[in-house]
Amino acid sequence: QKEVEQDPGPLSVPEGAIVSLNCTYSNSAFQYFMWYRQYSRKGPELLMYTYSSGNKEDGRFTAQVDKSSKYISLFIRDSQPSDSATYLCAMNFGNEKLTFGTGTRLTIIP
Amino acid sequence: SAVISQKPSRDICQRGTSLTIQCQVDSQVTMMFWYRQQPGQSLTLIATANQGSEATYESGFVIDKFPISRPNLTFSTLTVSNMSPEDSSIYLCSGTRGGREKLFFGSGTQLSVL
Repeated sequence: QKEVEQDPGPLSVPEGAIVSLNCTYSNSAFQYFMWYRQYSRKGPELLMYTYSSGNKEDGRFTAQVDKSSKYISLFIRDSQPSDSATYLCAMNFGNEKLTFGTGTRLTIIP
Repeated sequence: SAVISQKPSRDICQRGTSLTIQCQVDSQVTMMFWYRQQPGQSLTLIATANQGSEATYESGFVIDKFPISRPNLTFSTLTVSNMSPEDSSIYLCSGTRGGREKLFFGSGTQLSVL
């Protein structure tokens, strides 16, 4: 079993829709949870990070962590074509070594 | 966040040859890392590049195959040695200034081995 599971997609939604991206993990010792966005032929860029269970909002993006269920989510409201990218979840034990999911490829259809 | 310049952006190489990838950060970072990204797989950490000393390799990666240098705080190289088609992948340089959740990446090197 992988430490971090992420549905690879691809996921296609119409512009303006709410997007939900999810990851599950097996190790309850993970402390920090991150979402990275990766455009084609670019490196990943940090989008959101959270430490505790609950929600964290930044503009159209909301990161949600449920430690009891070992489940994290990223919600994108009012999705735009520019949101089309691969989204990677990542987590760590409080050190610099990150464990990544495989990424979900998202396409927003105009 | 810092900007990481990585080159080459892509290369096609012959089996048995070696390729050195360069990574330049525009400001000092505390830690630098090298990752591999293969299709359908998660980013995999190859090693931590330590300034002025030998890199720290993850399980499954060895110095003879992936020698790494970091002569100063802003520059590192990764060499992929004696390449085979299985080494075809994207190689990414990354760094952090100490924020354990704030890792930033270069644009990657797309390597194809024939």
